[in-house]
Amino acid sequence: KAGVTQTPRYLIKTRGQQVTLSCSPISGHRSVSWYQQTPGQGLQFLFEYFSETQRNKGNFPGRFSGRQFSNSRSEMNVSTLELGDSALYLCASSLEGAGAAFFGQGTRLTVV
Amino acid sequence: GIQVEQSPPDLILQEGANSTLRCNFSDSVNNLQWFHQNPWGQLINLFYIPSGTKQNGRLSATTVATERYSLLYISSSQTTDSGVYFCAKSFNDYKLSFGAGTTVTVRA
Repeated sequence: KAGVTQTPRYLIKTRGQQVTLSCSPISGHRSVSWYQQTPGQGLQFLFEYFSETQRNKGNFPGRFSGRQFSNSRSEMNVSTLELGDSALYLCASSLEGAGAAFFGQGTRLTVV
Repeated sequence: GIQVEQSPPDLILQEGANSTLRCNFSDSVNNLQWFHQNPWGQLINLFYIPSGTKQNGRLSATTVATERYSLLYISSSQTTDSGVYFCAKSFNDYKLSFGAGTTVTVRA
């Protein structure tokens, strides 16, 4: 059974640009969550989707958005990138959101 | 306030030693998980343990939800056990709150 797949693995973007990250969950998992990890703030929750609906959102500015497709794949978008958005972005999938979460390898975003 | 507190922040072990990592949480849980972050950044799920005790090889975990803590035991540690261990919890909101982690270094 394939694990959670995140693409791309690495990204370098310039301030002011936008970026889209992709996450394909484990087959059969309908919940996808996104987390940001930085040395200063640790692991912080961005948002969670289930059956194409956002059920919870973390305390991030509106520049951070996401969506989920009918096949449970999810994307997150960050517009007008800032230097502080440099981080490891992790995606997790679970069956329905309340059980064990399984993470992808992450996308490391560097904003210059 | 801080929802999840992990201790100790750093742990240095000699290969073969046993250790205990602790996770205290501030309110109710129905989802408590332990993860190991490998050198490439991926979080590996070790245990889903909202209550009770589980064992997987040299690792075991116990959660006492009524007393708001969980413990992760590493026995006969190996150099491959090195990395950061995270505890994370949620309660009816589909959002995991993570602790700051315990960095474990196992020396040969």
